[in-house]
Amino acid sequence: QFVLTQSPSASASLGASVKLNCTLASGHSRYAIAWHQHQPEKGPRYLMKIDSDGSHRKGDGIPDRFSGSSSGAERSLTISNLQSEDEADYYCQTWGTGIRGVFGGGTKLTVL
Amino acid sequence: EVQLVQSGAEVRKPGESLKISCKASGYSFTTYWIGWVRQMPGKGLEWMGIIYPADFDARYSPSFQGQVSISVDRSINTAYLQWSSLKASDTAIYYCARHGGVEYQLLYPDYWGQGTLVSVSS
Repeated sequence: QFVLTQSPSASASLGASVKLNCTLASGHSRYAIAWHQHQPEKGPRYLMKIDSDGSHRKGDGIPDRFSGSSSGAERSLTISNLQSEDEADYYCQTWGTGIRGVFGGGTKLTVL
Repeated sequence: EVQLVQSGAEVRKPGESLKISCKASGYSFTTYWIGWVRQMPGKGLEWMGIIYPADFDARYSPSFQGQVSISVDRSINTAYLQWSSLKASDTAIYYCARHGGVEYQLLYPDYWGQGTLVSVSS
């Protein structure tokens, strides 16, 4: 059973908004997670941490267009006013003393 | 400014050993966990393990336990990932990552290196 589930792909138009979801498996639904962006040919970039109550903490220099939220076992990343440079793979990640660190399978975001 | 600078690409044969490095700067090296993440060709990110430089406490993903070794040299603020006997399936890009957060809640990469490509082929 995978701890974190993500849709393999998503798409939205330039200037639109998109919401990417990360679902925690049963038994882990109160875990905090972190979102990371991985653009082609670059190292990944930390975006934000999201707690189970929806509070989130962004990384350095992350634009206001990126926001996070939480509902039940879902931890979501919303990107507003999509830009071409937002086209990337997005990964959620969590941690537990038993599971150690783990990433979701990633969502490939296409900006149309 | 936090920076993680990794060593360059490596090409090895199966059975050979290898140690790649990640030099940290811009923060107190001993007070953050630092670790490694694998990306195999065409695949997603896989969390491998971390080490706490202050006391050398290391934690590994079950998938990587016994397959690799993570270490640090505190005198030069550098973390290492080491293999004693490489396999073709170790071909991947390896990223080092400083981890923020706290162990009882969430440890997460908050700064990443640029990646090191390791190619293993006979």
